[in-house]
Amino acid sequence: DQQVKQNSPSLSVQEGRISILNCDYTNSMFDYFLWYKKYPAEGPTFLISISSIKDKNEDGRFTVFLNKSAKHLSLHIVPSQPGDSAVYFCAASPGNQFYFGTGTSLTVIP
Amino acid sequence: DTEVTQTPKHLVMGMTNKKSLKCEQHMGHRAMYWYKQKAKKPPELMFVYSYEKLSINESVPSRFSPECPNSSLLNLHLHALQPEDSALYLCASSQDPGVVDGYTFGSGTRLTVV
Repeated sequence: DQQVKQNSPSLSVQEGRISILNCDYTNSMFDYFLWYKKYPAEGPTFLISISSIKDKNEDGRFTVFLNKSAKHLSLHIVPSQPGDSAVYFCAASPGNQFYFGTGTSLTVIP
Repeated sequence: DTEVTQTPKHLVMGMTNKKSLKCEQHMGHRAMYWYKQKAKKPPELMFVYSYEKLSINESVPSRFSPECPNSSLLNLHLHALQPEDSALYLCASSQDPGVVDGYTFGSGTRLTVV
């Protein structure tokens, strides 16, 4: 059973606009969350994290929002750039290992 | 050094071959992980090493044999693999098995079994 779900397999956004990627989880024991970016044939690259004591974390163009009551996580990228085109995975951890979503392929159109 | 280094980057092996994947980190991390990722799927955890001891084996077939010779090095020995084992094999490390802060992935080894 998939404990972390990304229901949108793909997303296309115009350059300069906001990209919003969503992630839902089922396990209330998850207390640490990550977003990873992955280019083809490469390993995941860490983007941004958030712990369950926060509801927002910002790093440059990337902001992660956590809604614990809804068990929902989102990543906002503003402004979107063509170099942001990649597959984005969210991952959640109860403290010992990570569980990954299935990924959302983001295409930023110049 | 803030990287996890995996070698080789690409490997093609026959079903009767024996080969090894190597993972190295010099961040002082005491937890190391092997993941397997098939195309368009999320990474799946295979093994966790905690302080050089195997702590989690996610029911991985015995044709995959992990080894942790020291705190900086993690190997994955491969023998009698099947074509369906072709995947991207990712190594990761973190400071401590109970602390996921600083979780770092390597770039992976792209394995093809023929």
